[in-house]
Amino acid sequence: AQRVTQPEKLLSVFKGAPVELKCNYSYSGSPELFWYVQYSRQRLQLLLRHISRESIKGFTADLNKGETSFHLKKPFAQEEDSAMYYCALSGGSQGNLIFGKGTKLSVKP
Amino acid sequence: DGGITQSPKYLFRKEGQNVTLSCEQNLNHDAMYWYRQDPGQGLRLIYYSQIVNDFQKGDIAEGYSVSREKKESFPLTVTSAQKNPTAFYLCASSIAQTREHEQFFGPGTRLTVL
Repeated sequence: AQRVTQPEKLLSVFKGAPVELKCNYSYSGSPELFWYVQYSRQRLQLLLRHISRESIKGFTADLNKGETSFHLKKPFAQEEDSAMYYCALSGGSQGNLIFGKGTKLSVKP
Repeated sequence: DGGITQSPKYLFRKEGQNVTLSCEQNLNHDAMYWYRQDPGQGLRLIYYSQIVNDFQKGDIAEGYSVSREKKESFPLTVTSAQKNPTAFYLCASSIAQTREHEQFFGPGTRLTVL
């Protein structure tokens, strides 16, 4: 079965500290993985996708097929990074997204 | 302001009533989706549509219905058969229903059953 697991409901760090939001997936084929973010009072939006291999707002995520993980990392957290983060998997031919339950990141001053 | 719009922002329903949530997009996207977002549950797919006049059930379609008569519009009806309708509903669209395409989300409708 296709599944996305985000083990942390809440992650709290201080400004300037490194942050890692964990995401593990279960999928038998070759997955497409995404991180979506929802800032307060804003709509859900794409942060980054593994196929692009890019850094957005200082965040990076590497697909580790051996560990079936796609953790989101940033070396120095900023207060404006505080938001709800969702890891999502797109598998199969139809492209539907399967979302994890989300991790709320709180960056304290 | 382009993109995806949802209305109303807040909706209150009495038990036993059907209500319809509106979703419109001007992005010329073929695919549209409806998700339900509950605290601690993430997003769960209700229905999706790849093209006009065609739609498929998602993971939690029971108690919901949709139509896709126009490319721009994908309304969701929450029927009285839906046992726990109080939730935040999100509509999304993508250029096509393929794995690599980004989904764009609307601002959401919060439905409360009184």
